[in-house]
Amino acid sequence: DAGVIQSPRHEVTEMGQEVTLRCKPISGHDYLFWYRQTMMRGLELLIYFNNNVPIDDSGMPEDRFSAKMPNASFSTLKIQPSEPRDSAVYFCASSLGLPETQYFGPGTRLLVL
Amino acid sequence: AQSVTQLGSHVSVSEGALVLLRCNYSSSVPPYLFWYVQYPNQGLQLLLKYTSAATLVKGINGFEAEFKKSETSFHLTKPSAHMSDAAEYFCAVRALYNQGGKLIFGQGTELSVKP
Repeated sequence: DAGVIQSPRHEVTEMGQEVTLRCKPISGHDYLFWYRQTMMRGLELLIYFNNNVPIDDSGMPEDRFSAKMPNASFSTLKIQPSEPRDSAVYFCASSLGLPETQYFGPGTRLLVL
Repeated sequence: AQSVTQLGSHVSVSEGALVLLRCNYSSSVPPYLFWYVQYPNQGLQLLLKYTSAATLVKGINGFEAEFKKSETSFHLTKPSAHMSDAAEYFCAVRALYNQGGKLIFGQGTELSVKP
């Protein structure tokens, strides 16, 4: 299995620009998670989906962040407009059920200038 | 609410020495507990998990953890550290079912291994 795939691996953008992060979960997994990791705040769960439906988005920092999962094999996390404080590593993870093992992607390292 | 506390944000050991990474949890119900490892520039991967079966759980790469209810602890150990163990380690607890059963991660402990 290819594992969880994230793209891009690195993104550098300027403040105010729209950023879209992409994730392809492991085939057959029914849960998908978006995390953000920073030195200051550690690993934060932003949102997670079950069978493509958002279950808990209480971790989404503000309205500038949105996430979608149009089908079982694809999800996006969008930041519009981006700000320097959004600079972080964003991870996508998937699992088959809860609280089964979550498999993490390699992450997207985002730098907002 | 469920939570985990990892004692020590940074631990340094010599190669061949015992590795001990501490994790204490708070849970109002029997917990499911996990240890994940993150190597530099990579995502997290599961080391081991406790799901109310045997209290001593063996994981990958020679790591193990013991669930101690009386101490509300789930410390991670490895008898002999290897240079390749240098990474960040995260303890996690499953949230209550009515909170979606998601994982709640600790702040992480960075392990350094000296030659």
